[in-house]
Amino acid sequence: GAVVSQHPSRVICKSGTSVKIECRSLDFQATTMFWYRQFPKQSLMLMATSNEGSKATYEQGVEKDKFLINHASLTLSTLTVTSAHPEDSSFYICSALPGLAGEYNEQFFGPGTRLTVL
Amino acid sequence: TQLLKQSPQFLSIQEGENLTVYCNSSSVFSSLQWYRQEPGEGPVLLVTVVTGGEVKKLKRLTFQFGDARKDSSLHITAAQTGDTGLYLCAGVSGGYQKVTFGTGTKLQVIP
Repeated sequence: GAVVSQHPSRVICKSGTSVKIECRSLDFQATTMFWYRQFPKQSLMLMATSNEGSKATYEQGVEKDKFLINHASLTLSTLTVTSAHPEDSSFYICSALPGLAGEYNEQFFGPGTRLTVL
Repeated sequence: TQLLKQSPQFLSIQEGENLTVYCNSSSVFSSLQWYRQEPGEGPVLLVTVVTGGEVKKLKRLTFQFGDARKDSSLHITAAQTGDTGLYLCAGVSGGYQKVTFGTGTKLQVIP
């Protein structure tokens, strides 16, 4: 089956610093990737939809200047948490959608990145 | 805002018992998915249901999509300890296959 990787799997950083999380589709091309955030004991909340070669679409309430998304190639999307604060500590999960928009396809999820901001 | 509410939120049962998890929404989705997530991992897709009234079986798991395509249920027969995890329903919509996750049901199966 299709594999999506995330790097790093865990990161601890100081308040005020920026952290970059990578999401890669290893054996397929993905024009669309999604970024989710999951707080402890809660469900996944969609943050943004990342489209290769264009600007990401952010969900209501998600600050685009704080969560920078770059989908520079068909196999890589990055999420940068800028000026991180303790309340940004969460489990960040990406997913990748093979094929073209409009076609029905299963999304494949990455293993997640645990971010802890001290 | 599309909201999928799952019930129950938590469920702790003995091995061998049956259980049903419900997923309800006021919105119509093009399809509905069920995932299971282990702690510290990404969700894993169990099934996708597309047609209103559809029933799919996956070994001891039975999934049903409501006729109006707004709600769904997951029934597990003779639960095993390996079924323990967070079960998430998810509605799929839009050209980009946007997935909206439900509130989640944490299942614990006790030996």
